[in-house]
Amino acid sequence: DAGVTQSPTHLIKTRGQHVTLRCSPISGHKSVSWYQQVLGQGPQFIFQYYEKEERGRGNFPDRFSARQFPNYSSELNVNALLLGDSALYLCASSLGGASNYGYTFGSGTRLTVV
Amino acid sequence: KNEVEQSPQNLTAQEGEFITINCSYSVGISALHWLQQHPGGGIVSLFMLSSGKKKHGRLIATINIQEKHSSLHITASHPRDSAVYICAVTSGSARQLTFGSGTQLTVLP
Repeated sequence: DAGVTQSPTHLIKTRGQHVTLRCSPISGHKSVSWYQQVLGQGPQFIFQYYEKEERGRGNFPDRFSARQFPNYSSELNVNALLLGDSALYLCASSLGGASNYGYTFGSGTRLTVV
Repeated sequence: KNEVEQSPQNLTAQEGEFITINCSYSVGISALHWLQQHPGGGIVSLFMLSSGKKKHGRLIATINIQEKHSSLHITASHPRDSAVYICAVTSGSARQLTFGSGTQLTVLP
């Protein structure tokens, strides 16, 4: 069974550009969360989606947006890229809902903004 | 003050040593997670705890809900245990993860 798949694995963008990152959860998982990890720090929560609805949003500017599709895959979009957006972007999937479930993480997308 | 604090930040041990990494949190949680991150970024979930103690192989995780404290222990450490160990808590209406800053563990042969 495939794990959480993220694409692309690496990319380089220029300041001001737009980027779309993609995540496919484990089959049967209905919740997808996005995290940003800057070098040397722990990941920071960006968004969580469950059953195609936004369930939570971290302290990130409106340049960050996301959505979840009917097949539970998800996209994270970042507009007007800044140098400070350079980071590892992690996607995590879980069964979701009201109970506590474990998370499975993708390998991440390493974004470099130059 | 961060909601999740880990100590130590860096830890170097000799192969075979018993290792303890500590985590304290200041918010109400529904669960606490211990995660392992290797160079390159991939994160693996080791434990999810809401009470008591769990053991998997040489790894043991404990949590004290009253004291808002958890520990991760590694017995008979091995160089392949070298990684960043991260404590995270599930909290909030979205049950999002709030992460500590991680402990870089290096086990020398």
